[in-house]
Amino acid sequence: QSALTQPPSASGSPGQSVTISCTGTSSDVGTYNYVSWYQQHPGKAPKLMIYEVGNRPSGVPDRFSGSKSGNTASLTVSGLQAEDEGDYFCSAYAGSNNLVFGGGTKLTVL
Amino acid sequence: QVQLVQSGAEVRKPGSSVKVSCKASGGTFSSYAITWVRLAPGQGLEWMGRIIPIFRTPNYAQKFQGRVTITADESTTTAYMELSSLKFEDTAVYYCARRSGSYSTHAFDIWGQGTMVTVSS
Repeated sequence: QSALTQPPSASGSPGQSVTISCTGTSSDVGTYNYVSWYQQHPGKAPKLMIYEVGNRPSGVPDRFSGSKSGNTASLTVSGLQAEDEGDYFCSAYAGSNNLVFGGGTKLTVL
Repeated sequence: QVQLVQSGAEVRKPGSSVKVSCKASGGTFSSYAITWVRLAPGQGLEWMGRIIPIFRTPNYAQKFQGRVTITADESTTTAYMELSSLKFEDTAVYYCARRSGSYSTHAFDIWGQGTMVTVSS
């Protein structure tokens, strides 16, 4: 399985919105609605931010939203805050109990 | 609430093996998959494989087939990931993860603290 494609970096000023893309194939993102997004801060374990394309776990601010179109999923962070800075990874189910992750996007709050 | 606690950092020579443990406490162990993921310097997260303890049959990423062995011991609620024929590029932080049961089958809201494995001659 090939890794999902994410832009290496994204940035925005406080209060702005930023969208991070995650491109897969018709064998993963395009077929299954099991797309998740994780936030990771240096030295910490990843934190689940979005599951099943657009659902937020309890405790995740509603500034975080997810969507999918075709083979590309997207994470949008609205009303950027300083604490949103970090690395973001997408993942997708690829069938036969296999999972694939993206290469990660470093989000900078200017 | 389930917690996952991993074993400590390891240093290994190329060609050797490493075995990382992941002990679960505070909840149901046997019926939820334990997944292993790694993060190498400058790279993205990489799914290595998973096991559902009650079924004992692991699934492995194609990339690691033949080099990784994932097991689980229900009596000690501990999962293990052993990686053999280590290469310099296996230097990474290795995580175990699973779902709490509240969200999705293929999303992980519970993570271990990570285990740094360094491959150095």
